[in-house]
Amino acid sequence: GENVEQHPSTLSVQEGDSAVIKCTYSDSASNYFPWYKQELGKRPQLIIDIRSNVGEKKDQRIAVTLNKTAKHFSLHITETQPEDSAVYFCAANPTDKLIFGTGTRLQVFP
Amino acid sequence: GAGVSQSPSNKVTEKGKDVELRCDPISGHTALYWYRQSLGQGLEFLIYFQGNSAPDKSGLPSDRFSAERTGGSVSTLTIQRTQQEDSAVYLCASSLGGGFETQYFGPGTRLLVL
Repeated sequence: GENVEQHPSTLSVQEGDSAVIKCTYSDSASNYFPWYKQELGKRPQLIIDIRSNVGEKKDQRIAVTLNKTAKHFSLHITETQPEDSAVYFCAANPTDKLIFGTGTRLQVFP
Repeated sequence: GAGVSQSPSNKVTEKGKDVELRCDPISGHTALYWYRQSLGQGLEFLIYFQGNSAPDKSGLPSDRFSAERTGGSVSTLTIQRTQQEDSAVYLCASSLGGGFETQYFGPGTRLLVL
């Protein structure tokens, strides 16, 4: 079955720096790749997603890139702020459900 | 509009008791998912309902876990003879369609088995 690997498991950056989280997937049938942000004690919320017909998508300080050949996709956060501190999950959809990565705990220090 | 709601928000039970967790999806969403999240861990898929199709139960960890969805809307996750290792946050999500649609999560039910 599909396996989604996510790295790193923890990431600490200084406010204003960039943060990059990477995911790889195994099933080439996957065609939808969302990213969710989960703040402490709250529910996961979608922050950005990308479909297999594009290679990059950007929304203000957040961007996602997709390399279908290599089967990996990445989340890029620029000009990080303390409120970006959270756990981020990537996911892929080999079938009719999402398979989530194990999460990255991002800490942004002021 | 109203988002996904879950009840109760917290549940404390004794080992061996049965519990029922409820999920009200967003109106019109045909897909409904249950996940389990242990403390500091990721999202473990449990079960998936899509319209009138047979549910995908491949993630249920044991036969003590079951779920149903009545009338294509409200879903109930039942855990029988609870064990301490069942303690976790149980999250429900719904989406307009299948795996290529955005999933919207509920606030979760925090279950503690003593």
